[in-house]
Amino acid sequence: GAVVSQHPSWVICKSGTSVKIECRSLDFQATTMFWYRQFPKQSLMLMATSNEGSKATYEQGVEKDKFLINHASLTLSTLTVTSAHPEDSSFYICSGGAGGPNNEQFFGPGTRLTVL
Amino acid sequence: DAKTTQPPSMDCAEGRAANLPCNHSTISGNEYVYWYRQIHSQGPQYIIHGLKNNETNEMASLIITEDRKSSTLILPHATLRDTAVYYCIVRLQGGSEKLVFGKGTKLTVNP
Repeated sequence: GAVVSQHPSWVICKSGTSVKIECRSLDFQATTMFWYRQFPKQSLMLMATSNEGSKATYEQGVEKDKFLINHASLTLSTLTVTSAHPEDSSFYICSGGAGGPNNEQFFGPGTRLTVL
Repeated sequence: DAKTTQPPSMDCAEGRAANLPCNHSTISGNEYVYWYRQIHSQGPQYIIHGLKNNETNEMASLIITEDRKSSTLILPHATLRDTAVYYCIVRLQGGSEKLVFGKGTKLTVNP
């Protein structure tokens, strides 16, 4: 399958700071990228869907001003957690899809965020 | 909300076949059945998907009932590395279609 990378793989930050997570599709062009959040022992929860060059669509209950998503190119999307608080500590996972009926989504390895 | 129902956990002996069931009684005619798995602290991995015919690839086989209301993922010879949470997801085909994850089945392969 296609490869998606995330950077950093883990990050620890102080409460009130902002953290940026990068998601890159390495060997395909991801017309759509998705961001998920996963709390311990829970399933993945979709946060937002972004298409290259347009604004992200956020799921109900996800604050768009807190979780800033930029999908500037077909191979890069970023998620910025602004003014992070301890309750934002979670496993953040991105995925990319190449579009079309015969292309699937491929997931990155995830980023572990811990807010102190 | 997830449109599938899976048992929360299953056990399997190493080397034996693992059969993971999934109920999706409200599936619509143009929706596919997808299977992903997530090994602890990693991103999900695509396994297989199908519409109505049985499918097989190098990882697994997918058996879909004739009425499409349920399916079974088969790992023919489970290994310890197959221990993971397996998610059955119903959705339209294509990389731009979002995936809604349910709680999945935690499969533990025992030596």
